[in-house]
Amino acid sequence: GDSVTQMEGPVTLSEEAFLTINCTYTATGYPSLFWYVQYPGEGLQLLLKATKADDKGSNKGFEATYRKETTSFHLEKGSVQVSDSAVYFCALSDPTNKLIFGTGTLLAVQP
Amino acid sequence: EAGVAQSPRYKIIEKRQSVAFWCNPISGHATLYWYQQILGQGPKLLIQFQNNGVVDDSQLPKDRFSAERLKGVDSTLKIQPAKLEDSAVYLCASSLAGGVLEKLFFGSGTQLSVL
Repeated sequence: GDSVTQMEGPVTLSEEAFLTINCTYTATGYPSLFWYVQYPGEGLQLLLKATKADDKGSNKGFEATYRKETTSFHLEKGSVQVSDSAVYFCALSDPTNKLIFGTGTLLAVQP
Repeated sequence: EAGVAQSPRYKIIEKRQSVAFWCNPISGHATLYWYQQILGQGPKLLIQFQNNGVVDDSQLPKDRFSAERLKGVDSTLKIQPAKLEDSAVYLCASSLAGGVLEKLFFGSGTQLSVL
């Protein structure tokens, strides 16, 4: 079945460092791809999405590009802040329109 | 607008006991979801409701888990009897319509510990 693999954490960075969180997927069709973020004590929130190949999703300085040739949707940010510390989940929509999540990557940004 | 409300926030029970979680979705949201998030894993869909009808419960362990959404508004998820492996965060989410995944809103979850 469809699945998502993302890099294990925790990822620890200093403030203003460059962030990459890798995500690859396996899917039979052409899924939409998502990044969700979970701040401490809060529910998951949609961070960004892309619905077709070569689409770039962006929000709050984060970006991810839907790469069909490498089946990837890596999350990037040029300069992280302490407030970006959270757990980040990559996800896809399967053929039945269900969300399939990766295992999550904890990001800790130190001042 | 108010978000998705869940209670309790935490619950500790012993194995073989029963437990129930409650969810109140965002007003007007027809679709409601329950997810199970085991530590170190991503959320897994347990059941999806459209109004008060079940759309998908293929991953719900029906021998011990049950869920209802009477009147198509709030919902209750029950586990009876609980097992150690049920320790997880149970997330409720809602959306206006089932097909619009980017308009899915999650509650903060109920953290269940089964001892």
